[in-house]
Amino acid sequence: AQTVTQSQPEMSVQEAETVTLSCTYDTSESDYYLFWYKQPPSRQMILVIRQEAYKQQNATENRFSVNFQKAAKSFSLKISDSQLGDAAMYFCAYRTPGFKTIFGAGTRLFVKA
Amino acid sequence: DADVTQTPRNRITKTGKRIMLECSQTKGHDRMYWYRQDPGLGLRLIYYSFDVKDINKGEISDGYSVSRQAQAKFSLSLESAIPNQTALYFCATSDSDYRPGHSNYGYTFGSGTRLTVV
Repeated sequence: AQTVTQSQPEMSVQEAETVTLSCTYDTSESDYYLFWYKQPPSRQMILVIRQEAYKQQNATENRFSVNFQKAAKSFSLKISDSQLGDAAMYFCAYRTPGFKTIFGAGTRLFVKA
Repeated sequence: DADVTQTPRNRITKTGKRIMLECSQTKGHDRMYWYRQDPGLGLRLIYYSFDVKDINKGEISDGYSVSRQAQAKFSLSLESAIPNQTALYFCATSDSDYRPGHSNYGYTFGSGTRLTVV
């Protein structure tokens, strides 16, 4: 069965610094998608970034980028120039085509002014 | 208006009561999902539907039922609520992976329903 593991329940970063959130997953599939979602205190779930497994190039969205290591089944999220508005719960997620999404337990990110 | 609307936003109910959580969407997506979120457990899938005539159980469907009334509406029912069903519930939608031109494989979420069973 596919699983998603986020080993850091909480992380903290100073404003303007860089932080990396870790995620590993387990699957026997070769074709799948990976996502990071953000949940701010408003509790709305927001898609931050996605990565297709067949693409070797790491996805980037402005200050957010991923380090996708397919062989290691690792999918970390890097947030550069952290801002107060980045404080939130972050969920790593996995899905195969035509199938449901599996979420990790989440990492709560605190941003210090 | 939001793309995915959940009602109610918050609800307190008593043990043994029947309660329905509603979800409607204007995205035109075929696929709809119900998840519950618990601290330390992330989001876990309760039920999902790939079209109006297709309903599937997720990993934690016991104690829940669903109805897909139309492409745009997917409701979740707790037939007899119990305290361990206290959680944050999310409805989500996604497009079919195989639609031509489809390029976004992520979910669109509703704003959640905070349910407390006392």
